[in-house]
Amino acid sequence: DQQVKQNSPSLSVQEGRISILNCDYTNSMFDYFLWYKKYPAEGPTFLISISSIKDKNEDGRFTVFLNKSAKHLSLHIVPSQPGDSAVYFCAASDLTGRRALTFGSGTRLQVQP
Amino acid sequence: DSGVTQTPKHLITATGQRVTLRCSPRSGDLSVYWYQQSLDQGLQFLIQYYNGEERAKGNILERFSAQQFPDLHSELNLSSLELGDSALYFCASSVAGWDNEQFFGPGTRLTVL
Repeated sequence: DQQVKQNSPSLSVQEGRISILNCDYTNSMFDYFLWYKKYPAEGPTFLISISSIKDKNEDGRFTVFLNKSAKHLSLHIVPSQPGDSAVYFCAASDLTGRRALTFGSGTRLQVQP
Repeated sequence: DSGVTQTPKHLITATGQRVTLRCSPRSGDLSVYWYQQSLDQGLQFLIQYYNGEERAKGNILERFSAQQFPDLHSELNLSSLELGDSALYFCASSVAGWDNEQFFGPGTRLTVL
């Protein structure tokens, strides 16, 4: 049972355009959501997060939106740069789960120069 | 560089064998988490230790065990290895046992032949 789903395995965008990565979840106990970025041969790197009490969080070129009623979150990257090419994982946690992270299967983003 | 170190980087072994993976958390972090990433999958939470004590357990097989030592480094022991255990094993650390943000090491790639 996949509690966090990233339905798009890959995404290709042009440099300078917006990248939108999507994530859906099923567990209503999740109260904190994170995005991690992963380059080959490296561990995931924390990118941005959002608490369930908010619906938007912004950090530079990265914005995460949370729609609790739809159990959906998205990561917007504007403008996209070639260095953003990586695999992006959505993750969620809840206090009952002792904050262990539940990950989606990832979306591979390719930003074309 | 997240500050989390993992050794070895690669491990190749045969079915039925036993291996030990090692993780050193970031300086000051008390919590260590272990995750398994099989081919093209998201990361699956295995187990968490906080200040030497087991705190949360995920989908960890009975053939697998872990511990956290007084110096806070952790070891993941995998025994009676099967072909399906081939995966990337990541360690992450956080300051306390209930943090949302975890910092990941570079991973150990285990290949079981």
